[in-house]
Amino acid sequence: SAVISQKPSRDICQRGTSLTIQCQVDSQVTMMFWYRQQPGQSLTLIATANQGSEATYESGFVIDKFPISRPNLTFSTLTVSNMSPEDSSIYLCSSGTGQDTQYFGPGTRLTVL
Amino acid sequence: SQQGEEDPQALSIQEGENATMNCSYKTSINNLQWYRQNSGRGLVHLILIRSNEREKHSGRLRVTLDTSKKSSSLLITASRAADTASYFCAEGGWGAQKLVFGQGTRLTINP
Repeated sequence: SAVISQKPSRDICQRGTSLTIQCQVDSQVTMMFWYRQQPGQSLTLIATANQGSEATYESGFVIDKFPISRPNLTFSTLTVSNMSPEDSSIYLCSSGTGQDTQYFGPGTRLTVL
Repeated sequence: SQQGEEDPQALSIQEGENATMNCSYKTSINNLQWYRQNSGRGLVHLILIRSNEREKHSGRLRVTLDTSKKSSSLLITASRAADTASYFCAEGGWGAQKLVFGQGTRLTINP
């Protein structure tokens, strides 16, 4: 099983600023995913990050707001740009495929004031 | 695709009792995965059941899958206070790489 770490584990940010979240996997993986979990809600996929290509965004999410990098097979970053209080959520990364077990990181709890 | 539904949304039982959570989905799946989340932290993978399987066990956990009804259930036997968490099902589609999560069930085990 893959072990995934995320940094930071939590942050409190001011409106209008940006935060970059890092996700590190302990083995090389083809696909990494970024999810958002709003307070009291389930997980919603933001985008799929493949190494060497542009991330694929889900409906309702755009690259300008959530730019993603995937520089190698073990690492990805998600930036939450120009934040507003509505961006307060837990952001989780995962690795794997839909055909097999997906493993999740511990999440980053973001609060925007 | 639309998120599946889980019921109940919240369940509170006494320690030692069994807890059953249900998940319904709308599309054809390759597999269904169940996860546990403690207090808004990361997701812990519990069981993956494939579309050609009907039942899987892992310790005190039992998962069933009925593809004709597009439904799955998670049974936790002899519940413990440490089982208090939110439980999510997630659909893994054919040819799709992403998971689609259900709304989750918040389980509380009372000592």
